[in-house]
Amino acid sequence: DAGVTQSPTHLIKTRGQQVTLRCSPKSGHDTVSWYQQALGQGPQFIFQYYEEEERQRGNFPDRFSGHQFPNYSSELNVNALLLGDSALYLCASSPTQGTEYEQYFGPGTRLTVT
Amino acid sequence: GQNIDQPTEMTATEGAIVQINCTYQTSGFNGLFWYQQHAGEAPTFLSYNVLDGLEEKGRFSSFLSRSKGYSYLLLKELQMKDSASYLCAADNYGQNFVFGPGTRLSVLP
Repeated sequence: DAGVTQSPTHLIKTRGQQVTLRCSPKSGHDTVSWYQQALGQGPQFIFQYYEEEERQRGNFPDRFSGHQFPNYSSELNVNALLLGDSALYLCASSPTQGTEYEQYFGPGTRLTVT
Repeated sequence: GQNIDQPTEMTATEGAIVQINCTYQTSGFNGLFWYQQHAGEAPTFLSYNVLDGLEEKGRFSSFLSRSKGYSYLLLKELQMKDSASYLCAADNYGQNFVFGPGTRLSVLP
């Protein structure tokens, strides 16, 4: 059973460019959350998708947008990249139903903005 | 507001016991998670407390006091591989997790 997968593993972009990160949730999970983790800090919640809609959003500007597809996979898009967007971007999936509250994290995408 | 606090760094000796504390203030609270994260890797689940009290799982135990907004993670018989960051996260009714800054634990021989 594949866990949460993310692509790409590493990415280098230039200021002002746009980037798309991808995530496939764990089998049986229908909810996907995205987090940004700066070096030496805890993950910060960006937004969560369920049933192809953004269900909740953290304190991130509109430059950060996302999408969820019918197969529950998700994309995170960041426009007009800033140096401060350099971070590890984590995707986590969880089921809506049942007693499993845990969020399973993918390996992350390391984004470097130069 | 939402605030999670934990010590930034801790050091302990192999074979010892260490307690990592976490205090939280969140607008909604369902339970508290502890995750372990090795450098450059994704966080991995350690424990989840919903009710007050101690949950024991092998060498790791976690405690929660909802009235005090306080939790701790207890690691016994420390091993070198336990050197990692330990993240405390408040579960906001499954909508999202509010993470603390993480505690970087160094286990020395």
